[in-house]
Amino acid sequence: DQQVKQNSPSLSVQEGRISILNCDYTNSMFDYFLWYKKYPAEGPTFLISISSIKDKNEDGRFTVFLNKSAKHLSLHIVPSQPGDSAVYFCAASYNQGGKLIFGQGTELSVKP
Amino acid sequence: NAGVTQTPKFQVLKTGQSMTLQCAQDMNHEYMSWYRQDPGMGLRLIHYSVGAGITDQGEVPNGYNVSRSTTEDFPLRLLSAAPSQTSVYFCASRRPNKMSPLHFGNGTRLTVT
Repeated sequence: DQQVKQNSPSLSVQEGRISILNCDYTNSMFDYFLWYKKYPAEGPTFLISISSIKDKNEDGRFTVFLNKSAKHLSLHIVPSQPGDSAVYFCAASYNQGGKLIFGQGTELSVKP
Repeated sequence: NAGVTQTPKFQVLKTGQSMTLQCAQDMNHEYMSWYRQDPGMGLRLIHYSVGAGITDQGEVPNGYNVSRSTTEDFPLRLLSAAPSQTSVYFCASRRPNKMSPLHFGNGTRLTVT
């Protein structure tokens, strides 16, 4: 049973436009959410996070939105750049040892 | 600062063989974990450890063993490899605070024939 779901395997966006990556979760006990970015042949790297007490967190071009009632979070990248092309994973954790549960990933392609 | 180091980078095993995937971190992180990445499945947690001497199961622990005798090292053992264990394996570590992000190694690509 997938507790964290990313239903779009891929997304293609033009350079300069907004990229929106979506993530849904089923476990209402999750209280901390993170986004990771992964390039081929490398390990994932941390991008941005949000606590369940907030509904928005911003870091430069990256903004994460959390809708607790819908159990949904999204990552907005504005403006998108070709270097943003990567696989993006959302992840969630709760107090059981703080283990992190990941979604399936969305491959973003930003075209020049 | 090396961060999280995984060895080997690539490995081919025959069904039934055993091997150990090595993971070492030099950041003095108490929390360490192992994930496998498969197409369409994302990253799935195999085992994790909140400190030396303490390990626990993740989402997909069957077929894998771990131990944590030091803070720095967290090896993953495959006792009898199966083709279903063909995957890319990632080790990760972080500080005890669960809001501290995970630092990942660059992965081990394992093929079981």
